[in-house]
Amino acid sequence: DAGVIQSPRHEVTEMGQEVTLRCKPISGHNSLFWYRQTMMRGLELLIYFNNNVPIDDSGMPEDRFSAKMPNASFSTLKIQPSEPRDSAVYFCASSPDRAGGYTFGSGTRLTVV
Amino acid sequence: AQKVTQAQTEISVVEKEDVTLDCVYETRDTTYYLFWYKQPPSGELVFLIRRNSFDEQNEISGRYSWNFQKSTSSFNFTITASQVVDSAVYFCALSEASSYGQNFVFGPGTRLSVLP
Repeated sequence: DAGVIQSPRHEVTEMGQEVTLRCKPISGHNSLFWYRQTMMRGLELLIYFNNNVPIDDSGMPEDRFSAKMPNASFSTLKIQPSEPRDSAVYFCASSPDRAGGYTFGSGTRLTVV
Repeated sequence: AQKVTQAQTEISVVEKEDVTLDCVYETRDTTYYLFWYKQPPSGELVFLIRRNSFDEQNEISGRYSWNFQKSTSSFNFTITASQVVDSAVYFCALSEASSYGQNFVFGPGTRLSVLP
């Protein structure tokens, strides 16, 4: 198994631009999570999907952030418009159940200038 | 609300020393899960262990061992005979299995430096 695959690994964009982060979970895992990691706030859960359905998006910082999971093998996290304070490492993780024991992707390092 | 405390911000040890990383959690749920993750300098997050609240048996995996004590709400992690490759940030995390969705909280992490 290739593990959780995230793309791109690095993204540099200008303030105001739309950014789309992508994630392919491990096949057979029915839970998918998006996390953000910053020095100031550590690791924060943004949104959680179970069986492709968003269950808890209370961690999404504001309306500029949106996430979708159109099928079991693909999810996106979109920021529109992006702001410098969105700069962080964004991790996707998948799990075979809701409890956790996640496998994390390698992360996307986003820099908004 | 649940909370995870890792009081040790940074720890430095010399290779071959044993080191224990502390984790204290707070939850009102009776059913929950505890985790440890490793984040080496390369940045990826590596899952180490998951323990549910009904299983208080300690676990050993090679040089790693975990001590879960519900009475003190602690889930400590010990590395025996540390090696330079153990240098990383280690995160403890808590997941509550109750009701709607899945609450999952990471502790702030402990940065372990193992010196040769």
